[in-house]
Amino acid sequence: DGGITQSPKYLFRKEGQNVTLSCEQNLNHDAMYWYRQDPGQGLRLIYYSQIVNDFQKGDIAEGYSVSREKKESFPLTVTSAQKNPTAFYLCASSQGGGNSPLHFGNGTRLTVT
Amino acid sequence: KQEVTQIPAALSVPEGENLVLNCSFTDSAIYNLQWFRQDPGKGLTSLLLIQSSQREQTSGRLNASLDKSSGRSTLYIAASQPGDSATYLCGPTGGGNKLTFGTGTQLKVEL
Repeated sequence: DGGITQSPKYLFRKEGQNVTLSCEQNLNHDAMYWYRQDPGQGLRLIYYSQIVNDFQKGDIAEGYSVSREKKESFPLTVTSAQKNPTAFYLCASSQGGGNSPLHFGNGTRLTVT
Repeated sequence: KQEVTQIPAALSVPEGENLVLNCSFTDSAIYNLQWFRQDPGKGLTSLLLIQSSQREQTSGRLNASLDKSSGRSTLYIAASQPGDSATYLCGPTGGGNKLTFGTGTQLKVEL
């Protein structure tokens, strides 16, 4: 079955450590996205990539970094510079072109103490 | 900057009732608008996508409408069932294929 896989489902880290969240898709989609979800705030866009080897900052990119070396993979690194990293992180992909539905993974819940 | 508002924030209805969820957005320069469903602790599932040139889209018991000029969309759910209980989010897609989300409507359908 085609889909988006995020791993791990739960992640725990100590403050000051960098952590990388995995996102893999086998839908052959060009565009990939990272969102952060906090209670009562909806989803906010962190980074997105329309094509391999290219990505743009979203609305809340500070303290995060990404890479897009392969079409199917878009890992997100939460750095120690991110002030409030505890959140639910969602990865999504779409065919691109402005009229394609977004497909989501099941998310990674990151807790930093 | 696009701002999206969803009303009501929460809704509880008895099984079988028809209901309407509302979504409003401030920037009408959109390519499309999507409605999603999110179950607790899960990712989002796309329900309907309405292109900017369309007025409505239907899938089973769901019907979504779009009035781009007034910045409004509604999701109509017919004959609601307990399995419809979830959070429903709307998201217009603007420049750069960026989708902005509302905070959602939490729906509970009771037996």
